Amino acid sequence: EAGVTQFPSHSVIEKGQTVTLRCDPISGHDNLYWYRRVMGKEIKFLLHFVKESKQDESGMPNNRFLAERTGGTYSTLKVQPAELEDSGVYFCASTDFANTGELFFGEGSRLTVL
Amino acid sequence: GQNIDQPTEMTATEGAIVQINCTYQTSGFNGLFWYQQHAGEAPTFLSYNVLDGLEEKGRFSSFLSRSKGYSYLLLKELQMKDSASYLCAVKGAGGFKTIFGAGTRLFVKA
Repeated sequence: EAGVTQFPSHSVIEKGQTVTLRCDPISGHDNLYWYRRVMGKEIKFLLHFVKESKQDESGMPNNRFLAERTGGTYSTLKVQPAELEDSGVYFCASTDFANTGELFFGEGSRLTVL
Repeated sequence: GQNIDQPTEMTATEGAIVQINCTYQTSGFNGLFWYQQHAGEAPTFLSYNVLDGLEEKGRFSSFLSRSKGYSYLLLKELQMKDSASYLCAVKGAGGFKTIFGAGTRLFVKA
């Protein structure tokens, strides 16, 4: 069974440009999460999808970030326009049971904004 | 507020035992997780505690005291491959969002 996959693994863009990160969760997992880790800090929650619906987007930093999960399968996270402070590793995770299940993480997308 | 504290770094010797502590203050509690993360890789699940007490799984054990807001991860018979970051994480109110500590980097030396 394939794990959580993320693309791209690494993206380098200039300030003001747009980047779209993609996450394919484990098949059958209704719950999909986006997290971000900035250098030296903790992994911070961004948002949670249940199927195609946003269950909780309280961690989204501002309106430059847009997440979608059309059809309840893969998800995208778009940053537009990117700022220097958006640099970090963006992790996607999925689980079948939101209450008790452990999170299955992708390897992350490292974003560098110059 | 919500806060999870764990030491930044620890060093231990191959074959020894190490205990990584975690204290938390969260809005509600629906379980505590430990994850392992090797550099450049995805975090992977190690353990889950929702009731007080010790959960043992091979060389790894995890303990929880809900009244004290405290957990520890115990690693026995350390191996070089155990060098990694260990993340303490808590599911808070509603049980849908997992909050992570900054992680403890463990260095295992020969």
